[in-house]
This record gives sequence, C-alpha cells and structure tokens, in this order.
Amino acid sequence: GAGVSQTPSNKVTEKGKYVELRCDPISGHTALYWYRQSLGQGPEFLIYFQGTGAADDSGLPNDRFFAVRPEGSVSTLKIQRTERGDSAVYLCASSQQGRNTGELFFGEGSRLTVL
Amino acid sequence: AQTVTQSQPEMSVQEAETVTLSCTYDTSESDYYLFWYKQPPSRQMILVIRQEAYKQQNATENRFSVNFQKAAKSFSLKISDSQLGDAAMYFCAYFGGSQGNLIFGKGTKLSVKP
Repeated sequence: GAGVSQTPSNKVTEKGKYVELRCDPISGHTALYWYRQSLGQGPEFLIYFQGTGAADDSGLPNDRFFAVRPEGSVSTLKIQRTERGDSAVYLCASSQQGRNTGELFFGEGSRLTVL
Repeated sequence: AQTVTQSQPEMSVQEAETVTLSCTYDTSESDYYLFWYKQPPSRQMILVIRQEAYKQQNATENRFSVNFQKAAKSFSLKISDSQLGDAAMYFCAYFGGSQGNLIFGKGTKLSVKP
C-alpha cells in the first residue's frame, strides 16, 4: 500500500481479554517499530524489528506484551490479560533505511480502550 | 539516558502570523538527529523537518524552519505565515546511534485563530 496501515482503528475490550493489533508497513521497508501513546503524552517506544527478528524489545512494559513479524512484512502486537492501564493509541511505523536516520513513516494508530 | 523536553503544553497563533515552539534535549552523544513531527486529529505522525547534529546550518522546509543550538541543546521550530491547517500537536524527537529509536517530547498543542 501507499502508507502504513493499522487495524483495527479502534478496539474496545474488557479487562482480562486478549487483543491483537495489526500493522502493514510500506512495501519494501525492512524496519518496523511499535510505539504506545497514552493520553496527553508523546509516543513511547515498545519494540523494533529489522526483517523478521526483534532487534530491540527493551520498551515492552512486561511479559503480557509480545510482537511478531513472521515474514518480515506484516507485524502483530499481542496483549494478553489486558488491564485498564493498557488503554492507549498504539502506533506503528516503518523505515526503509533501518535505524540509521530516524526518519519513520507512521500509521494512524490503533486506539485500544480497556473497560 | 536521552531526554526531550517541550515546556509549552499549548500555544496559540493568529492566522498568517509567526509562532515558535520550543524544545530542549539532553544527550552525551555527538552524532544524532532531531525531528519535529506533526500529529493532527487523524493521529498519523507526519514529519515536518529534520536536522542532523553535525550540520551547523539550520534546516528549512518552506514555511517551517528550526533554530538549532547544539551547545545549548535547543531545537526550536518556527512556523511562518501560519495557516489553519497547521493546527495540531507538534512533537520534538531525538534519534541517536546508541539507542536507535525515536525519543519524543510530550508535545505542544498548536491552535491557529482565523
């Protein structure tokens, strides 16, 4: 596609449920990032993929959060046993040149609301 | 650890006027990149302007320009001839080689009055 695509746009779930958020990066972009943006805050880094492997997952807050990118393109962010504090906008970004320049192309995010 | 600080939660400007958004950062690295991103209500972060730390010349992109003061670790954004479409959240961001991911400030909400 022309840009980074994220689905769903909005997701409402109940506390304790499992959630998957999908990111389809720009075609040909090898680097993929997940960020979390809480209300009134700037985006916070979660995880970075170079190809299929997670090159840096230091931003994942705990073991309830996991992300995969099995074929080096689409990525899925998985959240187990959701908590109300997980409510946020989850942004995905991709980059053609990897980490070297920091110029990322972002999707419109998935807004997660945990009731 | 690197940090980015935006001290202005909200700013307002009259249409066609000029406004400056402030950003300071802290780092011990000598080679890095600085960015300003715009986030409209659609939530998509859009790159406004980028500055390489090794370049002394301030970056410009049409109506957008920066004042990069490396010694002071300051990186302000100037928007000239403000337009209604400039209304959005603006985030300052840092990218350094050792960390390898964008570090964002808390943002400044810019309103443009007609």
